[in-house]
Order: sequence, then structure tokens, then C-alpha cells
Amino acid sequence: EAGVVQSPRYKIIEKKQPVAFWCNPISGHNTLYWYLQNLGQGPELLIRYENEEAVDDSQLPKDRFSAERLKGVDSTLKIQPAELGDSAVYLCASSRGSPDETQYFGPGTRLLVL
Amino acid sequence: GEDVEQSLFLSVREGDSSVINCTYTDSSSTYLYWYKQEPGAGLQLLTYIFSNMDMKQDQRLTVLLNKKDKHLSLRIADTQTGDSAIYFCAVSGYSTLTFGKGTMLLVSP
Repeated sequence: EAGVVQSPRYKIIEKKQPVAFWCNPISGHNTLYWYLQNLGQGPELLIRYENEEAVDDSQLPKDRFSAERLKGVDSTLKIQPAELGDSAVYLCASSRGSPDETQYFGPGTRLLVL
Repeated sequence: GEDVEQSLFLSVREGDSSVINCTYTDSSSTYLYWYKQEPGAGLQLLTYIFSNMDMKQDQRLTVLLNKKDKHLSLRIADTQTGDSAIYFCAVSGYSTLTFGKGTMLLVSP
């Protein structure tokens, strides 16, 4: 079974530029998560989707961040415009959904904003 | 909200046992997880324990849960250099996970 796929693996951009990350969850997993991991910290949830519906986006900075999960499979997370403080690892995870909510993570996208 | 605490660093010799500890605050947590993160990689699920269990063993890994003290531990038997990584404790609640800051395990030959 293929794991969670993320692209790109690395991204370097200048501040104020837009950037987008893509995630393909494990087949059959209805729930998809985007996390932010700063250096030396654990992952923090940005947004959770159940199928195509964003059910928890309370931690997503909506002034510059947006996400979508069209057709309830792949998802895209966008930042526009990027700021220096957005440099971090962006992790995508998926789970089957209730009652099995064990989350499986992708390799992450490492973003550096200059 | 939930708070999860871990010691930041552990150093052991190859062949010894490693014990990584975690404390949490929300007693209603249903599942408790251990993830491993190697440099430049995502989080790999190692094991998990349901809140009504005290212990779970999976090959070299033993998880102990003390619900009264809200304390979770991960014991790695016969630690190998390939076990060097950051280990995250994560606690579930309301369909979300709260992670600790991670414990860096360094295994020396």
C-alpha cells in the first residue's frame, strides 16, 4: 500500500511570493490533515478535512493561508504571500476516519522563505 | 487545551534499553501514540495504546500507560544505532492529535 505522498519535498522562495503544497493521502482514507512543524517542535494542526469538508480550520491563518480538497482525495495548501516566519516543514497526514483515527504521515515539504 | 510534555534528550549505548517518557493533561484521551522522526523525514508511526490498556508490547517496543498519573513511556529493548531519531508522544482528543516537542534519542556504538 502506498503511503501519503507530498510534493514538492523542498521549496525555496522569496518573501511575498506565493507557494503551494500538494498531498495525496493513502487510498481509502477519508480524513486528511495538514500540520505545521517548526524547528525543534512537534507538529501543530492547521486544518482537518473529512472527505471534502474542512471540519477544523481554527488554527489556519486565514489571512494568508488557504486549503482545498476537491473531490475528497488530493489536497492543496497555499500560502500567499509568504513571510519569513513561514519557513518550516508542512506535513500532510491521513486516516481512515472514525473510529480508526490513527494518522499516517507523509515525508513533508520543507519550505525556506528568504 | 491538551498539554504534552517530554524530556528533550536521551543518550544511551548500543545494546542498552532506552526509556522515553511523556506526560499529558487531558484524562479523556482515547489513544496515545509514539511516532519516530528521522532527519529530513516525516513521522513514522511506531505503536499506540488504547486508554483502557496498561501495557502493550510489540517486538522490541514496550508501551506503559499510567492513567492515574497521566504518564506514558516507550521502552526500546536492545537499542541500536538505527534507533537514533526524535521520538514524539501524541495524545488523541476530539479527532485531533496533540504532540509533545519530541525526545532526541542518540545511540552511541
